[in-house]
Amino acid sequence: GAVVSQHPSWVICKSGTSVKIECRSLDFQATTMFWYRQFPKQSLMLMATSNEGSKATYEQGVEKDKFLINHASLTLSTLTVTSAHPEDSSFYICSARVTAAYEQYFGPGTRLTVT
Amino acid sequence: QKEVEQNSGPLSVPEGAIASLNCTYSDRGSQSFFWYRQYSGKSPELIMFIYSNGDKEDGRFTAQLNKASQYVSLLIRDSQPSDSATYLCAAHEGGGSEKLVFGKGTKLTVNP
Repeated sequence: GAVVSQHPSWVICKSGTSVKIECRSLDFQATTMFWYRQFPKQSLMLMATSNEGSKATYEQGVEKDKFLINHASLTLSTLTVTSAHPEDSSFYICSARVTAAYEQYFGPGTRLTVT
Repeated sequence: QKEVEQNSGPLSVPEGAIASLNCTYSDRGSQSFFWYRQYSGKSPELIMFIYSNGDKEDGRFTAQLNKASQYVSLLIRDSQPSDSATYLCAAHEGGGSEKLVFGKGTKLTVNP
């Protein structure tokens, strides 16, 4: 199956700093990538849809100036959490869609803790 | 509001039994459906997808789709303790969207 990687797998940062998370499709090209957030014992929440070479589309209620998404190539999308606060602590998961299909393959996730 | 509904469980079955997981969806425009498995603390893993009415089998897993009833199910035969996880049902949103709409998941426990 298609493989998606994420880096880092976990990060601890201080309140007010920014954190960048990378998502890569390793063995396929992904014109579309998605960013999700999941709080403990809760369901997946889609944050944004990212298309290569264009601006991300954010879901209602997600602050685009706080969660910066860049999809610079067909294999790489990045999510930057700017001025992180403790309430941003969560499990951030990216997924990539195989071109000409609808299934999404998820990366292993990044656990962010803001102190 | 497009929704995918799942029984949250927990669903508990003995080892070797058949586990049956169900999901309904609200959008008749949805054409593609997916089952993901998510172990605690891990990200979701795609285990099955189905586009056509009827059954689709892959090893111990069978996905069933009934578009008239807007119903999708996943059967796991010969359940193993390693199948214990939360199972997420997802439907492609349709209408030109690239998004999947996820259910909240059903927690399955397979008892040895």
